[in-house]
Amino acid sequence: GNSVTQMEGPVTLSEEAFLTINCTYTATGYPSLFWYVQYPGEGLQLLLKATKADDKGSNKGFEATYRKETTSFHLEKGSVQVSDSAVYFCALSYTGNQFYFGTGTSLTVIP
Amino acid sequence: DTAVSQTPKYLVTQMGNDKSIKCEQNLGHDTMYWYKQDSKKFLKIMFSYNNKELIINETVPNRFSPKSPDKAHLNLHINSLELGDSAVYFCASSPTARGASQPQHFGDGTRLSIL
Repeated sequence: GNSVTQMEGPVTLSEEAFLTINCTYTATGYPSLFWYVQYPGEGLQLLLKATKADDKGSNKGFEATYRKETTSFHLEKGSVQVSDSAVYFCALSYTGNQFYFGTGTSLTVIP
Repeated sequence: DTAVSQTPKYLVTQMGNDKSIKCEQNLGHDTMYWYKQDSKKFLKIMFSYNNKELIINETVPNRFSPKSPDKAHLNLHINSLELGDSAVYFCASSPTARGASQPQHFGDGTRLSIL
């Protein structure tokens, strides 16, 4: 079946630290992969996406590369800010009508 | 303009009551969803409709009944509310899949609290 596994949080980092949130997936075909971000009190927003192997999605300084050989889509940012504090969700979409979400990783960035 | 809007934003009610949550999207998408997010932020799909037709119906108590009067609206009615129904409910929409690359757009959520 299809599933997404994210590293467990919470993650606490100091401002300007390097961020990695691990995400691996299981899928029977070639899914599209997404990272969503949820700020406190809000809904999920698309952060970035990749639709095929070796694609790199990027937005707001965040990056993730679709690695088919390791079935991974790890989220990275070189220098986090306090405003990046949020919950991050990795997701895959196989048919486009059904999405599989990871359990979310809470990130807190302290000044 | 809000793309996916849910009402109400907050809902506080007594156990045993019946309540509805409304969702509307102005993106022209064909598919709409309801998710439940618990206190640990775990997101669980409940229902999905494509052009008013139910396509995903996860294991959800039959006290929950979705209704889609048209493809821009997907409402959620809950009968006989229980304490365990307390959560944040998110509506989302996405375009018709002609590939797997179209992301979902989410509303801001409805925070349901059962007393």
